[in-house]
Amino acid sequence: NAGVTQTPKFQVLKTGQSMTLQCAQDMNHNSMYWYRQDPGMGLRLIYYSASEGTTDKGEVPNGYNVSRLNKREFSLRLESAAPSQTSVYFCASSETSGLNEQFFGPGTRLTVL
Amino acid sequence: QKEVEQNSGPLSVPEGAIASLNCTYSDRVSQSFFWYRQYSGKSPELIMSIYSNGDKEDGRFTAQLNKASQYVSLLIRDSQPSDSATYLCAVNSGYSTLTFGKGTMLLVSP
Repeated sequence: NAGVTQTPKFQVLKTGQSMTLQCAQDMNHNSMYWYRQDPGMGLRLIYYSASEGTTDKGEVPNGYNVSRLNKREFSLRLESAAPSQTSVYFCASSETSGLNEQFFGPGTRLTVL
Repeated sequence: QKEVEQNSGPLSVPEGAIASLNCTYSDRVSQSFFWYRQYSGKSPELIMSIYSNGDKEDGRFTAQLNKASQYVSLLIRDSQPSDSATYLCAVNSGYSTLTFGKGTMLLVSP
């Protein structure tokens, strides 16, 4: 039981390049989330998927897109990376949206030059 | 705009002391409350959940909730150097998401 896994762990991009961050969970959770964490800013929600087949914007969605590929997988895509997207990205999952606890993956450290 | 406020710290306590971490929230309809521990360079780890007014104990950790005062706290008894981390308070307001505070850094000195 691996919990929540994320790939890659580290990535360096040049401005304008695109990439997809992958997230998968094996806990049979319905809800999945993407956060970014920056010094002094705390965790900020980018997008979430309350259930398979649905996605919704969070606090900071601009410059990102997401795909809920199936119940297990939720990907985050940067179409044209900008230096402002340099951050640590965390994926999380919970049994249901709302009251249930969220469990986090190990994170992806992204640098955009 | 839902807000969760925490003192950024650092909160410094000696080994063996009680560490008290506090959190206030703005949304009166909040229904569930969580404490996460985050070591430097690692991801947040859930350590406590609390849903009802009062205290909830789990080992050396006690979460306290006072909905009337919109206040939630985490007590760590017999603090150890391994407890040194940033503690994040998170609040759910009945919607699909959590609102996180920016965290309090705890330093436990031997």
